[in-house]
Amino acid sequence: GENVEQHPSTLSVQEGDSAVIKCTYSDSASNYFPWYKQELGKGPQLIIDIRSNVGEKKDQRIAVTLNKTAKHFSLHITETQPEDSAVYFCAASRPGSTLGRLYFGRGTQLTVWP
Amino acid sequence: EPEVTQTPSHQVTQMGQEVILRCVPISNHLYFYWYRQILGQKVEFLVSFYNNEISEKSEIFDDQFSVERPDGSNFTLKIRSTKLEDSAMYFCASKDRTNEKLFFGSGTQLSVL
Repeated sequence: GENVEQHPSTLSVQEGDSAVIKCTYSDSASNYFPWYKQELGKGPQLIIDIRSNVGEKKDQRIAVTLNKTAKHFSLHITETQPEDSAVYFCAASRPGSTLGRLYFGRGTQLTVWP
Repeated sequence: EPEVTQTPSHQVTQMGQEVILRCVPISNHLYFYWYRQILGQKVEFLVSFYNNEISEKSEIFDDQFSVERPDGSNFTLKIRSTKLEDSAMYFCASKDRTNEKLFFGSGTQLSVL
């Protein structure tokens, strides 16, 4: 099956700096890559997603890039704020399996210091 | 904003007991899921449910587990004869038919003693 690896496991940045989280996947057939943010006591919340026919997608301070050849995708957060502090998960989905079956990375604990 | 609701938020049970975890998916969603996260490990898919039947289940979802949509709003996960290794955070999720976006509940932390 699909295997998603995520790095780093923890990331600390100063407010205003950028943060980058990277993920790799193993199944070249995977075609959907969402990113989730999980705050303490809450469930994962979708923040951005990208499909394999797109190389980059941006939403305000958040962007995701995808390199299909290398099978990796990254989350970029610019101008970080303390409220960006949370656990971030990347995930991948393969066509042909049930829609909604996601394979998750282990998560990255992002801390933004004021 | 509509959200997926899970109850209880915490459940403590004795090994060998049965537990039922409850979820109320977003009202116009048609696809329902259970995922779990054991402490320190990845979030793992358990089962998906559509049109009143299981559409896919992982190797984790053995005969100990069952799901049900008893009425038009609830979606439940039953774990029979719980084991210590069932201790985990269990997440319910739902989606509509138009895209892949999954919406997760806040989870039920299950502790088996």
